[in-house]
Amino acid sequence: AQSVAQPEDQVNVAEGNPLTVKCTYSVSGNPYLFWYVQYPNRGLQFLLKYITGDNLVKGSYGFEAEFNKSQTSFHLKKPSALVSDSALYFCAVSSPYTGRRALTFGSGTRLQVQP
Amino acid sequence: DVKVTQSSRYLVKRTGEKVFLECVQDMDHENMFWYRQDPGLGLRLIYFSYDVKMKEKGDIPEGYSVSREKKERFSLILESASTNQTSMYLCASSATGQGAYEQYFGPGTRLTVT
Repeated sequence: AQSVAQPEDQVNVAEGNPLTVKCTYSVSGNPYLFWYVQYPNRGLQFLLKYITGDNLVKGSYGFEAEFNKSQTSFHLKKPSALVSDSALYFCAVSSPYTGRRALTFGSGTRLQVQP
Repeated sequence: DVKVTQSSRYLVKRTGEKVFLECVQDMDHENMFWYRQDPGLGLRLIYFSYDVKMKEKGDIPEGYSVSREKKERFSLILESASTNQTSMYLCASSATGQGAYEQYFGPGTRLTVT
């Protein structure tokens, strides 16, 4: 069975500072990895994905994520945080056993960016 | 842009009622999904469908059923609602093919069962 761990319930960072939201995964076979963001009372918005290739992937709103196979991690990063980045962030992995269709999500990390 | 719509943003139902949650996508996606979201638990997959009339159980299918009669529409049915089904329900869709697999989500339905 596959799983995703987001070890921090909340991350606090000052505006302008770099941010990192952590994610580790467990899955048999090669993982497909995703990050989503959820603003209050909204559905999830896709940020970025890793399928294959370059370990550093770039996504929407200046976010990027680094795939590290040896550490089974896929941390989300941004060089300079904005107050508007404050939201709930979810990491997800797709399972090779469902034809790459279904996603398993982590429990989410709330990012709070202080002015 | 992909658009996934859900029939209600907020819904209040009584215990024992039959509840229908509707989801429609406009991008001709093959795959559709129903999740529930609870604080501290993230999103948990209830059911998904990869084609019309096809469905597969997710991680928490008990107490739920689904229907997909048309490609663009995926319904979640609570046969007899219970208070432990109070939750946020999210529908999503995705394409099938190389380089795809990201899911696109609707705005969610917050269901309260009293």
